[in-house]
Amino acid sequence: GENVEQHPSTLSVQEGDSAVIKCTYSDSASNYFPWYKQELGKGPQLIIDIRSNVGEKKDQRIAVTLNKTAKHFSLHITETQPEDSAVYFCTTYLSNAGGTSYGKLTFGQGTILTVHP
Amino acid sequence: DAMVIQNPRYQVTQFGKPVTLSCSQTLNHNVMYWYQQKSSQAPKLLFHYYDKDFNNEADTPDNFQSRRPNTSFCFLDIRSPGLGDAAMYLCATSRVPLSAVLQETQYFGPGTRLLVL
Repeated sequence: GENVEQHPSTLSVQEGDSAVIKCTYSDSASNYFPWYKQELGKGPQLIIDIRSNVGEKKDQRIAVTLNKTAKHFSLHITETQPEDSAVYFCTTYLSNAGGTSYGKLTFGQGTILTVHP
Repeated sequence: DAMVIQNPRYQVTQFGKPVTLSCSQTLNHNVMYWYQQKSSQAPKLLFHYYDKDFNNEADTPDNFQSRRPNTSFCFLDIRSPGLGDAAMYLCATSRVPLSAVLQETQYFGPGTRLLVL
């Protein structure tokens, strides 16, 4: 099955700095890569996603890049703010897999991001 | 507007005493999921319902059961909670199975934190 490795496990930055979280995946057939943000005491919330036929996607201060050949994708947060502090999960899944009955999100281990004022 | 609602937010039970966690959704989604999330770990899928069709993950203990009486509600029953079952339990929904449509999104509830004494 799919395996997703996420690094770093913790990341501490000063307000205004950039933060980068990297993930690698094992199944070259995976074709959709959502990122979730989980604030303390809350459920994960989708913040950005990317499809396998796209190399980069940007939404205001956050961007995601995908390298299909190397099977890795990254989350970039610029001009970080204290409210960006949370746990971030990269995930993958394979849609329209033919024989797959329903598809399942595979999670990375999570990155605890702390933004210091 | 709440979309995936979980009650209660905190649940305390005794070792071995059956407990039920509740989830409801206002999205009219066809798929509902239950995840277990232990401290500093990624969510782990326990099972899901696609309409009334129940799908159990292979490694979900028999101690965990689920019921979906209608589209809006889904319950997680833990028959004999052990200390190792203390965790955050997350409910999630999606309109259709992830494999069916590219970029299908899962919406998570805020979770119920279960304590076992």
